[in-house]
Amino acid sequence: GDQVEQSPSALSLHEGTGSALRCNFTTTMRAVQWFRKNSRGSLINLFYLASGTKENGRLKSAFDSKERYSTLHIRDAQLEDSGTYFCAAEAASSGSWQLIFGSGTQLTVMP
Amino acid sequence: NAGVIQTPRHKVTGKGQEATLWCEPISGHSAVFWYRQTIVQGLEFLTYFRNQAPIDDSGMPKERFSAQMPNQSHSTLKIQSTQPQDSAVYLCASSFPGLGSYEQYFGPGTRLTVL
Repeated sequence: GDQVEQSPSALSLHEGTGSALRCNFTTTMRAVQWFRKNSRGSLINLFYLASGTKENGRLKSAFDSKERYSTLHIRDAQLEDSGTYFCAAEAASSGSWQLIFGSGTQLTVMP
Repeated sequence: NAGVIQTPRHKVTGKGQEATLWCEPISGHSAVFWYRQTIVQGLEFLTYFRNQAPIDDSGMPKERFSAQMPNQSHSTLKIQSTQPQDSAVYLCASSFPGLGSYEQYFGPGTRLTVL
């Protein structure tokens, strides 16, 4: 079954507001990455976390391996934040470094 | 640093033809990964190499798909006798597993269309 459950699948925000994306894991994960797909279709690295929280500008991410979830918070959303966001995680039980991806969140920021 | 380079960016093949996709990892990165993205399946892992050795090919279809890494500067994904269901964006990623971080960096992908 799906090991990475990402929500919501779509999100609309007005400029200046904020929200959170979440990934729940059905198994223990070793680390998580967050990406944004840019207008050219490339995956842009936002965060890599093995534990705890990281912050970069208006973005903040948290990862709790024991509770099996990760979040990506966006504050003061801007139009250029629109795009598709993915979480991806490495399963702790496997010796493999493969990433298991969530299904993505389509974020639309409106004026 | 040019990032991960993938060529070609777009490829169109006829059913039954062969397709070879190329990936050049970031210089110094010792792990190379291949993924496939489709509307239906999303992003799914295919295979990866570490120090040019195949480590995990659990996501590779058993038939018609093969991957190689003949040297540290490039990897290829070959699909023989392509079928319409092989149409997808094929993504390559590389990683430098130093200091305990296995962060992967992705290339722009190759969009394969099988007619």
